[in-house]
Amino acid sequence: DAEITQSPRHKITETGRQVTLACHQTWNHNNMFWYRQDLGHGLRLIHYSYGVQDTNKGEVSDGYSVSRSNTEDLPLTLESAASSQTSVYFCASSEVAGGPYEQYFGPGTRLTVT
Amino acid sequence: SQQGEEDPQALSIQEGENATMNCSYKTSINNLQWYRQNSGRGLVHLILIRSNEREKHSGRLRVTLDTSKKSSSLLITASRAADTASYFCATDPFSGNTPLVFGKGTRLSVIA
Repeated sequence: DAEITQSPRHKITETGRQVTLACHQTWNHNNMFWYRQDLGHGLRLIHYSYGVQDTNKGEVSDGYSVSRSNTEDLPLTLESAASSQTSVYFCASSEVAGGPYEQYFGPGTRLTVT
Repeated sequence: SQQGEEDPQALSIQEGENATMNCSYKTSINNLQWYRQNSGRGLVHLILIRSNEREKHSGRLRVTLDTSKKSSSLLITASRAADTASYFCATDPFSGNTPLVFGKGTRLSVIA
């Protein structure tokens, strides 16, 4: 069955370190998204991609970057981790935009920055 | 900023009762979707209603959409303890090729 996976599921890192969170989907979806979820803020969009080599900034993109070299993967990099980036991160994917589409979410990565 | 705002933020009911959650949004939309999130899990799509639809059903779920008031409601009938979760509305903005915008969610607790 097609799926979307994230790794690691839990990560503890120190302030200032570079961290990369992996997202892999086997749906063959063109669209992929990264969100962070914090209490009181719901889901906030970090970056998204509508296809290979395409990346776009979301609502809270500062301090994060993504690159899309193939259809299946959209890794999220925290260039220099900060305590404010402690959060639960979700990756999602969907079919080509332009019509009604639903998003499929991964299980999430809980990141703690100490 | 988030477009959808759910109301109430939290809801606690007894098993067998109906649960109603509301979502308000600010701009024109193509469609509105509801998602469910169990504790510690990712979101799961429940139902989508297009802007030209007023009501949609799926099992025990009933969704209404009032585009003149820019609001939607999700009704879960005959709730079960397993319905305990957070529920999010997501709007597909009318303007251009932009991603879904999620609200902050309603936390539903169904007490057995």
